[in-house]
Amino acid sequence: DTAVSQTPKYLVTQMGNDKSIKCEQNLGHDTMYWYKQDSKKFLKIMFSYNNKELIINETVPNRFSPKSPDKAHLNLHINSLELGDSAVYFCASSQFFGTGGYYGYTFGSGTRLTVV
Amino acid sequence: EDQVTQSPEALRLQEGESSSLNCSYTVSGLRGLFWYRQDPGKGPEFLFTLYSAGEEKEKERLKATLTKKESFLHITAPKPEDSATYLCAVLQGAQKLVFGQGTRLTINP
Repeated sequence: DTAVSQTPKYLVTQMGNDKSIKCEQNLGHDTMYWYKQDSKKFLKIMFSYNNKELIINETVPNRFSPKSPDKAHLNLHINSLELGDSAVYFCASSQFFGTGGYYGYTFGSGTRLTVV
Repeated sequence: EDQVTQSPEALRLQEGESSSLNCSYTVSGLRGLFWYRQDPGKGPEFLFTLYSAGEEKEKERLKATLTKKESFLHITAPKPEDSATYLCAVLQGAQKLVFGQGTRLTINP
């Protein structure tokens, strides 16, 4: 009964390859996110989707393309992987409540991507 | 631009030795300040959300407080299982969490 689940947990791949990370949430939340945690442990937002609509698109190379088939799923596809893409990628979800705030901002357990 | 700075970067305590972690922030119009705990190899685990200066929340040995410029996470009589990295984040706009770099806490038995 995991709330936010990501697959795979570990991903090792060669430079130039294309890979995908999948995320699913069973909390009924309407917003999902991708965050990146670098080697210094800084967590930084990449994208957010609200009800399948892209809301936040930070300064991320266009090799990264999120896709949300429905509000419970948010996948991240990465083309032409580079060494600098190595990091831990976290999916998260939350629920908007009317006065402009969010609650239940819940993270998955992360996908450690290593590009060699 | 909104900024979040946590101190210290690392803190080592003896079991039972109480202390506080600091989170300083600059944000235009605070919509929420979040505390998370992160264990090695895992995702951040939600602890608290604070919305306005003067607010306090408690959970077991942890107590979070908020002023207009900073938040403190007080740890009372910590145990080794409290060892983790504690992350502070502010809600920017409607959706984006801006994180600090975290405080790595180690509790020695």
